Amino acid sequence: AQSVTQLGSHVSVSEGALVLLRCNYSSSVPPYLFWYVQYPNQGLQLLLKYTSAATLVKGINGFEAEFKKSETSFHLTKPSAHMSDAAEYFCAVSGGAQKLVFGQGTRLTINP
Amino acid sequence: DAMVIQNPRYQVTQFGKPVTLSCSQTLNHNVMYWYQQKSSQAPKLLFHYYDKDFNNEADTPDNFQSRRPNTSFCFLDIRSPGLGDAAMYLCATSRMDRGRNQPQHFGDGTRLSIL
Repeated sequence: AQSVTQLGSHVSVSEGALVLLRCNYSSSVPPYLFWYVQYPNQGLQLLLKYTSAATLVKGINGFEAEFKKSETSFHLTKPSAHMSDAAEYFCAVSGGAQKLVFGQGTRLTINP
Repeated sequence: DAMVIQNPRYQVTQFGKPVTLSCSQTLNHNVMYWYQQKSSQAPKLLFHYYDKDFNNEADTPDNFQSRRPNTSFCFLDIRSPGLGDAAMYLCATSRMDRGRNQPQHFGDGTRLSIL
């Protein structure tokens, strides 16, 4: 079975500051891990994915995430926040079956 | 561009009046999903098709049905919508590759309102 915990339902950072969104997972099999972003009234857009290759994964819009098996974590980071990064972010895990298990989401707010 | 298209983007229906939401894809993916997403919540999987095989989630109400007439199209039917069914409905597709699921691609959703 798989599960995802996103620490912090709401994160607020200043424009230009580091963005760190936390995700911890649980999986009984080697996981595939994903980060999705959702803007208001839109669907989910894939930011990046981990599929057992490099542990540091680079995605779109300057985001990256590092898979740490020992910590069962897959935190999302961006060195410098932009106003356009304000959105809801979902971490998700797949254990190889057809389904994704989502975390509860983190709403990112960017302060000017 | 290959994509997942949901129609309509906004749907208003009356309490108890059947409604159908549609999803089409040009990605030729063999798996199609329907999710329900309520405000400030994660998407909740209702069911999915792996090719023609229908897979219903255990807690999906009987009020929700789905059809997949071909690879490209999938429909969500709500037989008797209640006020609690007002939500965003998301369609997604993916491809099973060597027994592992590739990332899901989402449409922009249909926001359903119930009067």
